[in-house]
Amino acid sequence: AQSVTQLGSHVSVSEGALVLLRCNYSSSVPPYLFWYVQYPNQGLQLLLKYTSAATLVKGINGFEAEFKKSETSFHLTKPSAHMSDAAEYFCAVVKGGSEKLVFGKGTKLTVNP
Amino acid sequence: KAGVTQTPRYLIKTRGQQVTLSCSPISGHRSVSWYQQTPGQGLQFLFEYFSETQRNKGNFPGRFSGRQFSNSRSEMNVSTLELGDSALYLCASSLKTGNIQYFGAGTRLSVL
Repeated sequence: AQSVTQLGSHVSVSEGALVLLRCNYSSSVPPYLFWYVQYPNQGLQLLLKYTSAATLVKGINGFEAEFKKSETSFHLTKPSAHMSDAAEYFCAVVKGGSEKLVFGKGTKLTVNP
Repeated sequence: KAGVTQTPRYLIKTRGQQVTLSCSPISGHRSVSWYQQTPGQGLQFLFEYFSETQRNKGNFPGRFSGRQFSNSRSEMNVSTLELGDSALYLCASSLKTGNIQYFGAGTRLSVL
């Protein structure tokens, strides 16, 4: 069964610092991978999606993620954190041909002034 | 274009009651999926409907059911509510299988 593991349930960074949120996937076939963000009392918003077209995927709000097959990783990064980035971030995987998203446990990002 | 709309946003029920949640997908989207989000279990897939047919089902008891109408709007029903059903229920729609899923703001259900 496909799954994703997010390392670190809480990450705290200073404003302007690098954001790195880790995600490792387990899949026997090339997966579709996603990063979603959830702000308090809201639904999930798609940040970016990997579909094998390119290993470096650029998303919204300055985020990007790099797919590394050798490490089965899909870590999310942003060069400079902003206060508005404080939210919970979810990595997810779906098998091709399916709509069933399998989510990681989430990483809550705190941005300190 | 309007996003995914879920109603109501908040619900309070008591144990043993049943509840119906509604989801209106983005116009033109034919696939609707439902997820349950709790602090303990995280985000879990409930089921997916496409063109009024349930195509996938998660590992939930039969008390959880759903349906989709010809206009792609979907409802999910939970019967005989238990305290553990308290959660945020999220609906997502997509144009077709394999496309990006867009989420609504969710319905927060509290079971007392």
